[in-house]
Amino acid sequence: DGGITQSPKYLFRKEGQNVTLSCEQNLNHDAMYWYRQDPGQGLRLIYYSQIVNDFQKGDIAEGYSVSREKKESFPLTVTSAQKNPTAFYLCASSPTWGPPDTQYFGPGTRLTVL
Amino acid sequence: GNSVTQMEGPVTLSEEAFLTINCTYTATGYPSLFWYVQYPGEGLQLLLKATKADDKGSNKGFEATYRKETTSFHLEKGSVQVSDSAVYFCALKDNYGQNFVFGPGTRLSVLP
Repeated sequence: DGGITQSPKYLFRKEGQNVTLSCEQNLNHDAMYWYRQDPGQGLRLIYYSQIVNDFQKGDIAEGYSVSREKKESFPLTVTSAQKNPTAFYLCASSPTWGPPDTQYFGPGTRLTVL
Repeated sequence: GNSVTQMEGPVTLSEEAFLTINCTYTATGYPSLFWYVQYPGEGLQLLLKATKADDKGSNKGFEATYRKETTSFHLEKGSVQVSDSAVYFCALKDNYGQNFVFGPGTRLSVLP
């Protein structure tokens, strides 16, 4: 089955630690995205990538970093510089070329800072 | 820039009631419009979409019509079920950029 997987589902971090959230897709999509969702709020874009080895900052990139070494993978690192990292993180992908198309989401990773 | 506005929730309905969740947008050109649904603890799932004016998207009893004259894409369902309880997000994507713009979401609770 084609889809997007995120791991782990739940992640706990101590203050001052960096953590990396995994996102893998086998949909052959060019574009991948990371969003942050806080309780009762909508989605805010952290980073996005339209092609391998290229990515751009979204609206709230400070304290986060990404890489896109392979088409199917787009890991997100939450660094110690992120002051309030506790949130639900969603990864998504979509085809890049052609008319605007659907964005497909992973199941999410809930990060809690202890 | 592009933006999406949704009615504030939470919306609480009894089973079999009629549902409307309002969505209006601001965008350049002719965006595609989407409704996504998020069940507790899960990612977002596409519910329906419409890619041009007057198109009607429909799925699982939900409908929304792309109204260019009122820049709206209201979500409707004639008879809601308890299993429809979720958060609903309206979103758009224009023909120029690659990013989606999401509304803040509307939480729906359906009581038996």
